[in-house]
Amino acid sequence: QQQVKQSPQSLIVQKGGISIINCAYENTAFDYFPWYQQFPGKGPALLIAIRPDVSEKKEGRFTISFNKSAKQFSLHIMDSQPGDSATYFCAARRWSSASKIIFGSGTRLSIRP
Amino acid sequence: DAGVIQSPRHEVTEMGQEVTLRCKPISGHDYLFWYRQTMMRGLELLIYFNNNVPIDDSGMPEDRFSAKMPNASFSTLKIQPSEPRDSAVYFCASSPRTGYTDTQYFGPGTRLTVL
Repeated sequence: QQQVKQSPQSLIVQKGGISIINCAYENTAFDYFPWYQQFPGKGPALLIAIRPDVSEKKEGRFTISFNKSAKQFSLHIMDSQPGDSATYFCAARRWSSASKIIFGSGTRLSIRP
Repeated sequence: DAGVIQSPRHEVTEMGQEVTLRCKPISGHDYLFWYRQTMMRGLELLIYFNNNVPIDDSGMPEDRFSAKMPNASFSTLKIQPSEPRDSAVYFCASSPRTGYTDTQYFGPGTRLTVL
């Protein structure tokens, strides 16, 4: 019940294309869903996050779509650029768990120029 | 702001040796987290502290692992004795408080190789 399942494991997208990464969860007590971006040799960094009371959140080229009934959420990267090549982690946190975050397994994204 | 500082950045040791990883969180942050990242298991939370007190150590794999936070500006993760399967990147992260959208800020990590 604590798992966050992420797919695909790796993704290759042409420059200018749309990158889509999907995540699913089972624990309905989760109420905060951040996405982290990690470049090689660096620690993960918060990219964008969503609460379950909204179905979509957009920040620049990055959009989270959230489907509460299906317990799924996804990250869309529009107009993907080579600089977006990184590993992306979806995550979930239960507000009452005092900051403990459950991470997905990660998606290695490569943007071909 | 210097961000979360970890040392060493790389550590190579032999099986059976003691390893100590160090972390300096961002000043003013109340929470400190230790994670381990491997290809097989992804990013795993090992332990986290609130105001220097360990809150949840359920992710610590074995008694060989121990973590301390003697003050608000320093934490250590110790492995004794180390084993080859401990090879991983270990991250420290800190967070300012338990606000709804508070962010965890990760350090650059320590890459540990146990031969």
